[in-house]
Amino acid sequence: QQQVKQSPQSLIVQKGGISIINCAYENTAFDYFPWYQQFPGKGPALLIAIRPDVSEKKEGRFTISFNKSAKQFSLHIMDSQPGDSATYFCAAKGAKGGSRLTFGEGTQLTVNP
Amino acid sequence: DVKVTQSSRYLVKRTGEKVFLECVQDMDHENMFWYRQDPGLGLRLIYFSYDVKMKEKGDIPEGYSVSREKKERFSLILESASTNQTSMYLCASSSEIYGYTFGSGTRLTVV
Repeated sequence: QQQVKQSPQSLIVQKGGISIINCAYENTAFDYFPWYQQFPGKGPALLIAIRPDVSEKKEGRFTISFNKSAKQFSLHIMDSQPGDSATYFCAAKGAKGGSRLTFGEGTQLTVNP
Repeated sequence: DVKVTQSSRYLVKRTGEKVFLECVQDMDHENMFWYRQDPGLGLRLIYFSYDVKMKEKGDIPEGYSVSREKKERFSLILESASTNQTSMYLCASSSEIYGYTFGSGTRLTVV
């Protein structure tokens, strides 16, 4: 059972555009929501994360928007660059689950020059 | 920097073979994890460990076992490899402060 649903599965954006990836979760006990970025041949690396006490977190061109009532969160990449082309995973973790992260299905982002 | 090292980048094994995937971390993290990554399915947790000699089943433990005899090393074992275990395997370690660090993965092909 997939507790974190991610969409779209793939996304093509022009350079300078905005990339938006969405995730929805079911478990209301989740209290930590990270996004991971994975380049080919590498393991995923933490990009940005949010906790449900805030509705938005911004780091450079990357922003997480969080909607607790809808149980949804999204990643926005402003001014997308070809170097952002990668696979992005959302994830969630709750206190009861210990340290284990539950991941979404992944989004393959391609930014065309 | 935390390093998580997986012993092999690519492996090709025959159906029925016993396969060992090794993972070593150098940051004294308590927690270690094995995930498999398949297109369209994301990362699915196979097994994890919170301490030496401890192990917990993840979401897809069938056909796998693990071993953690030392804090820094977490091994994934495929007792009798099957073609449906062809996948990318990712090891990770974590701490409360630094979160997850992943290895570069082992791409296993079972023929």
